[in-house]
Amino acid sequence: GAGVSQSPRYKVAKRGQDVALRCDPISGHVSLFWYQQALGQGPEFLTYFQNEAQLDKSGLPSDRFFAERPEGSVSTLKIQRTQQEDSAVYLCASTGRPYNNEQFFGPGTRLTVL
Amino acid sequence: GQQLNQSPQSMFIQEGEDVSMNCTSSSIFNTWLWYKQDPGEGPVLLIALYKAGELTSNGRLTAQFGITRKDSFLNISASIPSDVGIYFCAGLPSSSNTGKLIFGQGTTLQVKP
Repeated sequence: GAGVSQSPRYKVAKRGQDVALRCDPISGHVSLFWYQQALGQGPEFLTYFQNEAQLDKSGLPSDRFFAERPEGSVSTLKIQRTQQEDSAVYLCASTGRPYNNEQFFGPGTRLTVL
Repeated sequence: GQQLNQSPQSMFIQEGEDVSMNCTSSSIFNTWLWYKQDPGEGPVLLIALYKAGELTSNGRLTAQFGITRKDSFLNISASIPSDVGIYFCAGLPSSSNTGKLIFGQGTTLQVKP
């Protein structure tokens, strides 16, 4: 497809389980962002990749959150030992050029931690 | 985390009416973006603004980058039912060097046919 895709679209995890969320950016897009969107709120920045380099991870809420983009295309956001407060929609966005601010978003993964 | 102040929080209007919403910040922004989000989907970019004072239109939508660089507004003229959704402003702080966007809390728009 032409847009950003994310999988799974929905994930239910028991508290304490590990989860992995996948993002396929638009082909050729250099920059990739992860955001967390709590219910009724705007997205909040988690981390940023330029190609395979993770240049900003200042938004990751704890060391249970880890993101990677080993080949500079697909990215995975991993959350270890999930907690109820991790329940949110996780959005991925990409842009074609570094520091281009017109970010194109995927549909998100809705994570529910029971 | 840091968020923009977006208002109003929600609007319920009659089809055909014009709509206005705005965002303010205590700090300077280099870029303002306006997104629309439908239920179960990601935000879709509507308008991007790059210069203070810039006024940009996209169909029935018009947005402006405030001259102080601390605010922006979005107008929708002659609203139609498909305008229903949540509108977010997003800005790039002048202090950012990674493209990290700061989002408002959203304006929920409902249109009565």
